[in-house]
Amino acid sequence: NAGVTQTPKFQVLKTGQSMTLQCAQDMNHEYMSWYRQDPGMGLRLIHYSVGAGITDQGEVPNGYNVSRSTTEDFPLRLLSAAPSQTSVYFCASSYTWGIGNTEAFFGQGTRLTVV
Amino acid sequence: GQQVMQIPQYQHVQEGEDFTTYCNSSTTLSNIQWYKQRPGGHPVFLIQLVKSGEVKKQKRLTFQFGEAKKNSSLHITATQTTDVGTYFCAGRPGNAGNMLTFGGGTRLMVKP
Repeated sequence: NAGVTQTPKFQVLKTGQSMTLQCAQDMNHEYMSWYRQDPGMGLRLIHYSVGAGITDQGEVPNGYNVSRSTTEDFPLRLLSAAPSQTSVYFCASSYTWGIGNTEAFFGQGTRLTVV
Repeated sequence: GQQVMQIPQYQHVQEGEDFTTYCNSSTTLSNIQWYKQRPGGHPVFLIQLVKSGEVKKQKRLTFQFGEAKKNSSLHITATQTTDVGTYFCAGRPGNAGNMLTFGGGTRLMVKP
């Protein structure tokens, strides 16, 4: 059972380039989300989805787009990379988001550097 | 802004000493979760508390959820070097819909 798979693990981008961070889960989880982690800032929510076809903004959505065409995949797109987007990105999924066990499973992370 | 606050940000302890991290929310939480992230790793779920005043134990770790469901704590008794990492609380503030919001984390360093 792979769990949550993120690719790539490392990426260097030039300012202005675009790219897509991939996230896939094989646990049939409804809820998926993207976080960025910066030193001293904890984990900040970028976008999340409560099911296929449904996405919503988190705390820091600017500069990022998401889509959820299938239950399994939740890619994160950087439209025009900026140095401020240098961070570690984590994708997470959970079976549900409301009442009940909402344990989040995290991917291994993508370390992104924008130069 | 961040609605779930965590203190302290860093804590150095001698191996064998106790450690506590505190989590506070400005709004009532439906539940509180705790995660541990080892250096260079990803967050891993530890536990979820749901009921007001709930206390749960996992070996040397004790988790509490406040009566008002606005605060929580994680206490580690007799720390070991394997406890090193960053501990995060996470909850769904009452006015934040479905967003799972993380505290800033407490980085624990244990000196052997």
